[in-house]
Amino acid sequence: GNSVTQMEGPVTLSEEAFLTINCTYTATGYPSLFWYVQYPGEGLQLLLKATKADDKGSNKGFEATYRKETTSFHLEKGSVQVSDSAVYFCALYTQGGSEKLVFGKGMKLTVNP
Amino acid sequence: DAGVIQSPRHEVTEMGQEVTLRCKPISGHNSLFWYRQTMMRGLELLIYFNNNVPIDDSGMPEDRFSAKMPNASFSTLKIQPSEPRDSAVYFCASSSSPSSWGVREKDTGELFFGEGSRLTVL
Repeated sequence: GNSVTQMEGPVTLSEEAFLTINCTYTATGYPSLFWYVQYPGEGLQLLLKATKADDKGSNKGFEATYRKETTSFHLEKGSVQVSDSAVYFCALYTQGGSEKLVFGKGMKLTVNP
Repeated sequence: DAGVIQSPRHEVTEMGQEVTLRCKPISGHNSLFWYRQTMMRGLELLIYFNNNVPIDDSGMPEDRFSAKMPNASFSTLKIQPSEPRDSAVYFCASSSSPSSWGVREKDTGELFFGEGSRLTVL
């Protein structure tokens, strides 16, 4: 079945540090891939997505590239800010499957000034 | 446009009481999902509906939990009787799918979440 494996953390970084959060997946067919972010006290919101191989999703300085050959969708940001402190979830969706997103377990990031 | 609306935002109740959580999905979305989030278990899918019909309720913990979607703009998640271990944040989310479009179009499966209902059972 479909599954997502991501770094669980928690991770603490200093402001302006480089961030990588690894995410790999197992899926039948051709999934769409997502990164969701959950800020303290809020619901999850879409950060970025990619719907086919080699697509790059980007938003708010974050980027992730859909790598079919390595079944990965790693999230990166060159210089994190305190406001990036949140929980990050990797997820996948396969059209025509069970019609539900499969989420990773989430990774809590804390950025200190 | 209004997003997914959940109520109440916070609920504190005593063990044994009935709890009803409510959700209004985004207009035009035909899929609705209920999730539960705890520190111990993370994010769990409880149940989801497509066109108001429950499709997969395998995540519902036990018979004390029930969910309904009487129409396209409203859903409830009920816990009766509630127990302290039910304390969690409950999220509702909605999305659209090809069955609502009637055309062959790439469905990305993007979910839109509400802000959650924080339940505390004493």
